[in-house]
Amino acid sequence: KQEVTQIPAALSVPEGENLVLNCSFTDSAIYNLQWFRQDPGKGLTSLLLIQSSQREQTSGRLNASLDKSSGRSTLYIAASQPGDSATYLCAVRFIAGSARQLTFGSGTQLTVLP
Amino acid sequence: NAGVTQTPKFQVLKTGQSMTLQCAQDMNHEYMSWYRQDPGMGLRLIHYSVGAGITDQGEVPNGYNVSRSTTEDFPLRLLSAAPSQTSVYFCASRGNGGRASGELFFGEGSRLTVL
Repeated sequence: KQEVTQIPAALSVPEGENLVLNCSFTDSAIYNLQWFRQDPGKGLTSLLLIQSSQREQTSGRLNASLDKSSGRSTLYIAASQPGDSATYLCAVRFIAGSARQLTFGSGTQLTVLP
Repeated sequence: NAGVTQTPKFQVLKTGQSMTLQCAQDMNHEYMSWYRQDPGMGLRLIHYSVGAGITDQGEVPNGYNVSRSTTEDFPLRLLSAAPSQTSVYFCASRGNGGRASGELFFGEGSRLTVL
Protein backbone atom coordinates (compact mmCIF):
# COMPACT_ATOMS: atom_id res chain seq x y z
CA LYS A 1 0.00 0.00 0.00
CA GLN A 2 1.26 3.45 -0.88
CA GLU A 3 1.80 5.53 2.21
CA VAL A 4 3.01 8.98 3.17
CA THR A 5 4.61 9.52 6.57
CA GLN A 6 5.43 12.74 8.36
CA ILE A 7 7.69 12.79 11.39
CA PRO A 8 7.58 14.36 13.90
CA ALA A 9 3.86 14.74 14.56
CA ALA A 10 4.53 17.94 16.48
CA LEU A 11 7.39 20.41 16.65
CA SER A 12 7.97 23.48 18.80
CA VAL A 13 10.71 26.00 18.01
CA PRO A 14 11.66 29.52 19.13
CA GLU A 15 11.01 32.41 16.79
CA GLY A 16 13.76 33.08 14.26
CA GLU A 17 14.94 29.50 14.00
CA ASN A 18 15.34 27.78 10.66
CA LEU A 19 13.55 24.45 10.57
CA VAL A 20 12.96 21.41 8.40
CA LEU A 21 9.81 19.33 8.15
CA ASN A 22 10.10 15.81 6.78
CA CYS A 23 7.91 13.73 4.50
CA SER A 24 8.61 10.19 3.32
CA PHE A 25 6.71 8.05 0.81
CA THR A 26 6.78 4.38 -0.06
CA ASP A 27 6.79 4.42 -3.88
CA SER A 28 9.16 6.50 -5.99
CA ALA A 29 6.83 6.44 -9.00
CA ILE A 30 5.03 9.73 -8.47
CA TYR A 31 3.54 12.54 -10.56
CA ASN A 32 4.12 15.22 -7.98
CA LEU A 33 4.24 16.15 -4.30
CA GLN A 34 2.40 19.04 -2.70
CA TRP A 35 2.91 20.77 0.64
CA PHE A 36 -0.09 22.34 2.38
CA ARG A 37 -0.65 24.46 5.44
CA GLN A 38 -3.75 24.08 7.61
CA ASP A 39 -4.73 26.52 10.34
CA PRO A 40 -7.12 25.32 13.09
CA GLY A 41 -10.68 25.09 11.83
CA LYS A 42 -9.66 26.11 8.32
CA GLY A 43 -9.11 24.51 4.95
CA LEU A 44 -5.83 23.55 3.35
CA THR A 45 -3.72 26.20 1.70
CA SER A 46 -1.32 25.06 -1.00
CA LEU A 47 2.27 26.12 -0.29
CA LEU A 48 4.39 24.42 -2.92
CA LEU A 49 3.92 21.87 -5.69
CA ILE A 50 6.93 19.89 -6.92
CA GLN A 51 6.64 17.90 -10.12
CA SER A 52 8.41 14.54 -10.35
CA SER A 53 10.99 16.02 -12.72
CA GLN A 54 11.93 18.80 -10.28
CA ARG A 55 14.33 18.74 -7.33
CA GLU A 56 13.04 21.77 -5.44
CA GLN A 57 10.63 24.68 -5.37
CA THR A 58 10.90 27.97 -3.50
CA SER A 59 8.36 30.53 -2.36
CA GLY A 60 9.51 33.31 -0.09
CA ARG A 61 10.91 31.80 3.13
CA LEU A 62 9.83 28.31 2.09
CA ASN A 63 11.88 25.80 0.14
CA ALA A 64 10.71 22.28 -0.65
CA SER A 65 13.01 19.57 -1.97
CA LEU A 66 12.23 16.23 -3.56
CA ASP A 67 14.37 13.09 -3.71
CA LYS A 68 12.32 10.43 -5.45
CA SER A 69 14.95 7.71 -5.24
CA SER A 70 14.97 7.84 -1.45
CA GLY A 71 11.25 8.60 -1.19
CA ARG A 72 11.74 11.82 0.71
CA SER A 73 10.77 15.46 0.65
CA THR A 74 11.66 18.24 3.05
CA LEU A 75 10.05 21.61 3.67
CA TYR A 76 12.56 24.18 4.87
CA ILE A 77 11.22 27.27 6.65
CA ALA A 78 13.71 30.06 7.13
CA ALA A 79 13.59 32.56 9.99
CA SER A 80 10.41 31.13 11.50
CA GLN A 81 7.71 33.45 12.85
CA PRO A 82 4.77 32.89 15.23
CA GLY A 83 2.48 33.29 12.22
CA ASP A 84 4.02 30.13 10.78
CA SER A 85 2.33 28.12 13.52
CA ALA A 86 0.01 25.64 11.81
CA THR A 87 -0.21 22.03 10.71
CA TYR A 88 1.83 21.23 7.61
CA LEU A 89 0.65 18.42 5.40
CA CYS A 90 2.54 16.59 2.68
CA ALA A 91 0.58 14.90 -0.11
CA VAL A 92 1.84 12.67 -2.91
CA ARG A 93 0.21 11.80 -6.24
CA PHE A 94 1.35 8.27 -6.98
CA ILE A 95 1.33 6.98 -10.55
CA ALA A 96 -0.02 3.56 -9.60
CA GLY A 97 -3.56 3.13 -8.39
CA SER A 98 -6.94 3.54 -10.01
CA ALA A 99 -7.75 7.04 -8.85
CA ARG A 100 -4.33 8.70 -8.98
CA GLN A 101 -5.52 10.77 -6.05
CA LEU A 102 -3.40 12.54 -3.51
CA THR A 103 -2.28 10.43 -0.57
CA PHE A 104 -1.84 12.59 2.51
CA GLY A 105 0.49 12.31 5.44
CA SER A 106 -0.88 12.90 8.94
CA GLY A 107 0.85 16.25 9.20
CA THR A 108 3.34 18.00 11.47
CA GLN A 109 1.88 20.48 13.93
CA LEU A 110 4.33 23.37 14.16
CA THR A 111 4.38 25.88 17.00
CA VAL A 112 6.71 28.88 16.75
CA LEU A 113 7.17 30.48 20.14
CA PRO A 114 7.59 34.28 20.37
CA ASN B 1 -11.19 35.60 -5.88
CA ALA B 2 -13.78 33.03 -4.75
CA GLY B 3 -11.84 29.84 -5.62
CA VAL B 4 -13.58 26.81 -4.09
CA THR B 5 -16.71 27.63 -2.07
CA GLN B 6 -18.41 25.17 0.27
CA THR B 7 -21.77 25.46 2.02
CA PRO B 8 -22.85 25.05 4.72
CA LYS B 9 -19.86 25.58 7.01
CA PHE B 10 -21.57 23.82 9.91
CA GLN B 11 -24.45 21.32 10.05
CA VAL B 12 -25.99 19.10 12.71
CA LEU B 13 -28.09 16.14 11.60
CA LYS B 14 -29.97 13.37 13.30
CA THR B 15 -29.28 9.77 12.34
CA GLY B 16 -31.20 8.85 9.21
CA GLN B 17 -31.63 12.39 7.90
CA SER B 18 -30.39 13.34 4.47
CA MET B 19 -28.54 16.42 3.30
CA THR B 20 -26.36 17.81 0.54
CA LEU B 21 -23.04 19.56 0.94
CA GLN B 22 -22.54 22.07 -1.83
CA CYS B 23 -19.26 22.80 -3.60
CA ALA B 24 -18.68 25.33 -6.35
CA GLN B 25 -15.51 26.53 -8.06
CA ASP B 26 -15.03 29.44 -10.41
CA MET B 27 -11.64 28.46 -11.87
CA ASN B 28 -13.01 26.32 -14.73
CA HIS B 29 -11.29 23.27 -13.23
CA GLU B 30 -12.27 19.92 -14.67
CA TYR B 31 -11.19 17.83 -11.70
CA MET B 32 -13.16 18.11 -8.45
CA SER B 33 -13.12 15.90 -5.38
CA TRP B 34 -14.48 15.42 -1.88
CA TYR B 35 -12.35 14.47 1.14
CA ARG B 36 -13.18 13.83 4.74
CA GLN B 37 -10.77 14.64 7.56
CA ASP B 38 -10.90 12.73 10.82
CA PRO B 39 -8.53 12.83 13.82
CA GLY B 40 -5.88 10.15 13.48
CA MET B 41 -7.07 9.18 9.99
CA GLY B 42 -5.87 12.13 7.96
CA LEU B 43 -7.60 13.14 4.74
CA ARG B 44 -9.37 10.43 2.77
CA LEU B 45 -10.89 10.70 -0.68
CA ILE B 46 -14.63 10.02 -0.90
CA HIS B 47 -15.53 10.67 -4.56
CA TYR B 48 -14.02 12.55 -7.44
CA SER B 49 -14.92 13.78 -10.91
CA VAL B 50 -12.72 14.45 -13.94
CA GLY B 51 -15.37 16.43 -15.77
CA ALA B 52 -19.08 17.10 -16.15
CA GLY B 53 -21.02 13.83 -16.27
CA ILE B 54 -18.10 11.74 -14.98
CA THR B 55 -17.70 10.61 -11.38
CA ASP B 56 -15.80 7.84 -9.64
CA GLN B 57 -15.28 6.42 -6.17
CA GLY B 58 -12.37 7.19 -3.92
CA GLU B 59 -11.12 5.42 -0.83
CA VAL B 60 -14.25 5.76 1.37
CA PRO B 61 -17.34 6.15 -0.89
CA ASN B 62 -19.93 4.18 1.10
CA GLY B 63 -22.86 6.27 2.34
CA TYR B 64 -22.21 9.12 -0.09
CA ASN B 65 -23.49 10.00 -3.57
CA VAL B 66 -22.21 12.59 -6.01
CA SER B 67 -23.16 13.99 -9.39
CA ARG B 68 -21.51 16.46 -11.75
CA SER B 69 -23.99 18.15 -14.05
CA THR B 70 -21.86 21.27 -14.58
CA THR B 71 -18.15 22.09 -14.52
CA GLU B 72 -18.66 24.47 -11.60
CA ASP B 73 -20.63 22.36 -9.12
CA PHE B 74 -19.95 19.06 -7.36
CA PRO B 75 -22.48 18.36 -4.57
CA LEU B 76 -22.01 15.56 -2.03
CA ARG B 77 -25.17 13.83 -0.81
CA LEU B 78 -25.68 11.88 2.39
CA LEU B 79 -28.86 9.86 1.88
CA SER B 80 -29.19 8.49 5.43
CA ALA B 81 -26.72 10.06 7.83
CA ALA B 82 -24.92 7.91 10.39
CA PRO B 83 -22.82 8.97 13.41
CA SER B 84 -19.75 7.54 11.62
CA GLN B 85 -20.17 10.33 9.07
CA THR B 86 -19.42 12.97 11.67
CA SER B 87 -16.38 14.66 10.17
CA VAL B 88 -15.00 17.71 8.42
CA TYR B 89 -15.58 17.57 4.68
CA PHE B 90 -13.40 19.32 2.15
CA CYS B 91 -14.02 19.94 -1.51
CA ALA B 92 -11.01 20.39 -3.77
CA SER B 93 -10.44 21.17 -7.45
CA ARG B 94 -7.55 20.94 -9.85
CA GLY B 95 -6.91 22.51 -13.24
CA ASN B 96 -4.84 21.49 -16.26
CA GLY B 97 -7.69 19.55 -17.84
CA GLY B 98 -7.68 16.96 -15.07
CA ARG B 99 -4.13 15.85 -15.75
CA ALA B 100 -2.19 14.69 -12.75
CA SER B 101 0.27 17.57 -12.79
CA GLY B 102 -2.00 20.33 -11.53
CA GLU B 103 -2.12 21.98 -8.15
CA LEU B 104 -5.02 21.07 -5.85
CA PHE B 105 -7.07 23.88 -4.28
CA PHE B 106 -9.27 23.31 -1.24
CA GLY B 107 -12.41 24.91 0.11
CA GLU B 108 -12.75 26.05 3.73
CA GLY B 109 -14.50 22.88 4.83
CA SER B 110 -17.93 21.83 6.12
CA ARG B 111 -18.13 20.53 9.67
CA LEU B 112 -20.87 17.89 10.00
CA THR B 113 -22.13 16.36 13.24
CA VAL B 114 -24.53 13.43 13.16
CA LEU B 115 -26.33 12.73 16.43
